[in-house]
Amino acid sequence: GDSVTQMEGPVTLSEEAFLTINCTYTATGYPSLFWYVQYPGEGLQLLLKATKADDKGSNKGFEATYRKETTSFHLEKGSVQVSDSAVYFCALTVPNTGGFKTIFGAGTRLFVKA
Amino acid sequence: DVKVTQSSRYLVKRTGEKVFLECVQDMDHENMFWYRQDPGLGLRLIYFSYDVKMKEKGDIPEGYSVSREKKERFSLILESASTNQTSMYLCASSLSSGEERNIQYFGAGTRLSVL
Repeated sequence: GDSVTQMEGPVTLSEEAFLTINCTYTATGYPSLFWYVQYPGEGLQLLLKATKADDKGSNKGFEATYRKETTSFHLEKGSVQVSDSAVYFCALTVPNTGGFKTIFGAGTRLFVKA
Repeated sequence: DVKVTQSSRYLVKRTGEKVFLECVQDMDHENMFWYRQDPGLGLRLIYFSYDVKMKEKGDIPEGYSVSREKKERFSLILESASTNQTSMYLCASSLSSGEERNIQYFGAGTRLSVL
């Protein structure tokens, strides 16, 4: 079945370090891919998305490229800040009854130290 | 901005109680969802609705029911709460068409403890 696998956390980095959070997926057809972020005490919010192969999503200095050949959508940021501390979820959507279904990864917690 | 509001941030209930979790969205979204979030398991879909009075089971519907009498409101009901339903519950909504149809907007969550 359709699934998303992302690296286990927590990930602990110092401020200004380079961030990579790995995400791979299994899906039939051509899913859309997403990264959502959950800051402490809040719900999830969309960080970036890509809807077809080779698309690059970007927002707030974060980037991820839809790689169909490796079924991956790794999240990267060149220089993290303390304010980036949060839980990051990789997700995909596939067609389903009534429209689509979203499948989330388990989440990766990021701690950024000053 | 889309706003999804969940009625309670924290709830403490006793085993066997009937529990209602309420969710309201203000952007006229057709689709609404209930998830539970547990450490290491990510988000698991309980129920979703793509129209008023319509509902579909998600991956873990056992022990839950839902109600959608109005487009903006989607309620999750625990008929007889049990300790294994202690969790964070997240409500979300989305459009059903257009460029943004796959983007979900989430409420802040309700942390439910069943004692």
